[in-house]
Amino acid sequence: DAGVTQSPTHLIKTRGQQVTLRCSPKSGHDTVSWYQQALGQGPQFIFQYYEEEERQRGNFPDRFSGHQFPNYSSELNVNALLLGDSALYLCASSSSRDRYGYTFGSGTRLTVV
Amino acid sequence: SQQGEEDPQALSIQEGENATMNCSYKTSINNLQWYRQNSGRGLVHLILIRSNEREKHSGRLRVTLDTSKKSSSLLITASRAADTASYFCATARMDSSYKLIFGSGTRLLVRP
Repeated sequence: DAGVTQSPTHLIKTRGQQVTLRCSPKSGHDTVSWYQQALGQGPQFIFQYYEEEERQRGNFPDRFSGHQFPNYSSELNVNALLLGDSALYLCASSSSRDRYGYTFGSGTRLTVV
Repeated sequence: SQQGEEDPQALSIQEGENATMNCSYKTSINNLQWYRQNSGRGLVHLILIRSNEREKHSGRLRVTLDTSKKSSSLLITASRAADTASYFCATARMDSSYKLIFGSGTRLLVRP
């Protein structure tokens, strides 16, 4: 039973560029959440997608946007990258039948230079 | 901003010893979860304790929750070198919020 799959594993982008990160949820899960984890900090909630809509959003600017597809996979897009966007981006999936049963992926390490 | 704060920030123990980490939070919660993270990679779910529970066990893990003090502790007994990792508590609020709010973590080093 595959867990949460994130791609790519590592990414280096230049300031001002745009990036897309991808997440495939665990089999049987229909909800995807995204978190940003800066070095030495705990993860911070970006947003959650359910039924292809953004259900809740954390305190992140509009440069951060997302999408959920009919197969429940999700993308996180960040525009106009800043140096401060360098972080580990974690995707977590869960089921609407077990709201608190999160499974996290291994993350995408984004470096903005 | 982080809801939780973990204490200590870093902990170094000898293999075989017990490790205790503490977590404090600010708002009413539905549940509190503990996660492990190895070398800045993905989070592994360890245990979930609901707000109406006071203690929970899973293998070598023991978690307590004191909602009156808004605090939780994670005890790892008979630690092993493989337990070396960062440990985070995360709270799910009582309201309709869907997000987990993480603490800043405890870095545990278990020396062989």
